[in-house]
Amino acid sequence: QSVLTQPPSVSAAPGQKVTISCSGSSSNIGNNYVSWYQQLPGTAPKLLIYDNNKRPSGIPDRFSGSKSGTSATLGITGLQTGDEADYYCGTWDSSLSDGVFGGGTKLTVL
Amino acid sequence: QLQLHESGPGLVKPSATLSLTCAVSGGSISRSSYYWGWIRQPPGKGLEWIGTIYYSGDTYYNPSLKSRVTISVDTSKNQFSLELTSVTAADTAVYYCARTFFYTSKGDMAKVFFDNWGLGTLVTVSS
Repeated sequence: QSVLTQPPSVSAAPGQKVTISCSGSSSNIGNNYVSWYQQLPGTAPKLLIYDNNKRPSGIPDRFSGSKSGTSATLGITGLQTGDEADYYCGTWDSSLSDGVFGGGTKLTVL
Repeated sequence: QLQLHESGPGLVKPSATLSLTCAVSGGSISRSSYYWGWIRQPPGKGLEWIGTIYYSGDTYYNPSLKSRVTISVDTSKNQFSLELTSVTAADTAVYYCARTFFYTSKGDMAKVFFDNWGLGTLVTVSS
């Protein structure tokens, strides 16, 4: 059971937009920064978003992040088949003194 | 370009110690404000943070693994290592090493993220 809650799966058509939610509490998302990772099949995770809404160099602006209260959201616009992957949110939990991740969301581009 | 590469046995017997090393190239492990960490992923499951180390030796561990985990750093070889004792089948996973931005301070918003990952290495615990 993950500390952060993500939907197991989301799907959308190519060219459309999708959002992935990540729900936590005041001890993690509510008071700390959130990051997002993309894991393509058979590969290592890749940082997509850090500090809630910043993109590392090389990450296209089709990917965006936001945070409100104890929830965070990853948005992906202009969906491509190459975006099919598992997406994870992550943050620090101040009560647990533990780095925590969501259970992951599988994105299918229909 | 920073690269991280995990190495170690792919098969470990139950109750034994799992030992992995992460070699860092393209940047110095000690000339950085970053930390260095380990994350694992059981087959078909999600990510789990194991722990993090600074080149000075300052370490932080997942509380649920703390009694069995040791992370160490060798700046002369530009690498850091993981030891996990008394392993069971539940420790079977792909183990990743990653460069870690790690800031936690009481009263301030914590900032922890992993911006460069190794390819990962599968470790199976089985007799």
